Amino acid sequence: EAGVAQSPRYKIIEKRQSVAFWCNPISGHATLYWYQQILGQGPKLLIQFQNNGVVDDSQLPKDRFSAERLKGVDSTLKIQPAKLEDSAVYLCASSPRGTAPRILTEAFFGQGTRLTVV
Amino acid sequence: KQEVTQIPAALSVPEGENLVLNCSFTDSAIYNLQWFRQDPGKGLTSLLLIQSSQREQTSGRLNASLDKSSGRSTLYIAASQPGDSATYLCAVYPYSGGGADGLTFGKGTHLIIQP
Repeated sequence: EAGVAQSPRYKIIEKRQSVAFWCNPISGHATLYWYQQILGQGPKLLIQFQNNGVVDDSQLPKDRFSAERLKGVDSTLKIQPAKLEDSAVYLCASSPRGTAPRILTEAFFGQGTRLTVV
Repeated sequence: KQEVTQIPAALSVPEGENLVLNCSFTDSAIYNLQWFRQDPGKGLTSLLLIQSSQREQTSGRLNASLDKSSGRSTLYIAASQPGDSATYLCAVYPYSGGGADGLTFGKGTHLIIQP
């Protein structure tokens, strides 16, 4: 079974530029998450989708971050404009939550995109 | 608001030792608890998932326990090997009926096993 795919793996941009990350979840997984992991910290949830609807975006800085999951499969996360403090690893995860009993809904993570803002 | 704390923040031990990593959480209303491993520059690899109705889970040399009432979990690693060197993260799933179930993570324990 293929895992969660993310691209690019690395990105370096200047502050005030924009950047986009892409995630392809495990086939059939209804739920998709984006997490931000700053160096030395645990991942922090940014947004959760179930199919193509947003379930939780309470920690997403909506003035600069946006995310979409058109057609309920792939997702993109965008930052515009980027700030120095956005330097982090952006992790995408998926789970069958929503199409399977909750007891089985373990989250699976991709390799992440490491963003450096200079 | 749920908070997850991991102790110690870093640990360095000689190869072959048994060791325990600790995780505590402030809100005992959790659904599941999951332990992950993270290698430098890599994503998260799931090690063990403990359902809230369970007390422990085992996989090979790893054993994780859960005490919901006291808000604690431990990850026990037997006969440690240099390949176990990584950051170990503990995370909890909220007991949410509304569908929002993003994980809350601790900051991790950075483990080094000396050959």
